[in-house]
Amino acid sequence: SQQGEEDPQALSIQEGENATMNCSYKTSINNLQWYRQNSGRGLVHLILIRSNEREKHSGRLRVTLDTSKKSSSLLITASRAADTASYFCARRSGNTPLVFGKGTRLSVIA
Amino acid sequence: DGGITQSPKYLFRKEGQNVTLSCEQNLNHDAMYWYRQDPGQGLRLIYYSQIVNDFQKGDIAEGYSVSREKKESFPLTVTSAQKNPTAFYLCASSKGGGRANEKLFFGSGTQLSVL
Repeated sequence: SQQGEEDPQALSIQEGENATMNCSYKTSINNLQWYRQNSGRGLVHLILIRSNEREKHSGRLRVTLDTSKKSSSLLITASRAADTASYFCARRSGNTPLVFGKGTRLSVIA
Repeated sequence: DGGITQSPKYLFRKEGQNVTLSCEQNLNHDAMYWYRQDPGQGLRLIYYSQIVNDFQKGDIAEGYSVSREKKESFPLTVTSAQKNPTAFYLCASSKGGGRANEKLFFGSGTQLSVL
């Protein structure tokens, strides 16, 4: 199976700024999910957006999905040093297991 | 606390040796998964199991084996046939049952290195 592409691979911002990460994919999907991974740890689920949804919010997170362009974006507003982590998109197609992208490494500088 | 427990956190393998990574969950989940993560890379699926006594190969199953004799446990064996085993291994589980809109719960990972 093909992994999605995340963009950028790495992102460094100042505390208080917004961080935007993008994810593109090639096949049709049931849903797209975003996960966070702190260094040397497991992944933690952040948010799921279904294929018939265009935007979803959870706290400081905003996810958009454009199925015509096969792309999604994750926006973290008012970033904090504690947001420093890697962020992965993962997509589900049919009944197959989630396919993960390569991730974006976010560094938030205090 | 409910969750997924992986052990050990660090594991070292000698040439020609088989090693087994443990994964236990008490979430009453039907589905369990093993992923491999190389430095700076995403996750690649090794094996997954949607029900006890059944499992399927993922994208990179060669050199690995699994068993699913109990709902709570999904051990992964890295065999001597896996020539490049150094990686971070992640176990995950989900409710399963064909639910499309479900999320994965991950363990804290095992770092495997070759001596």
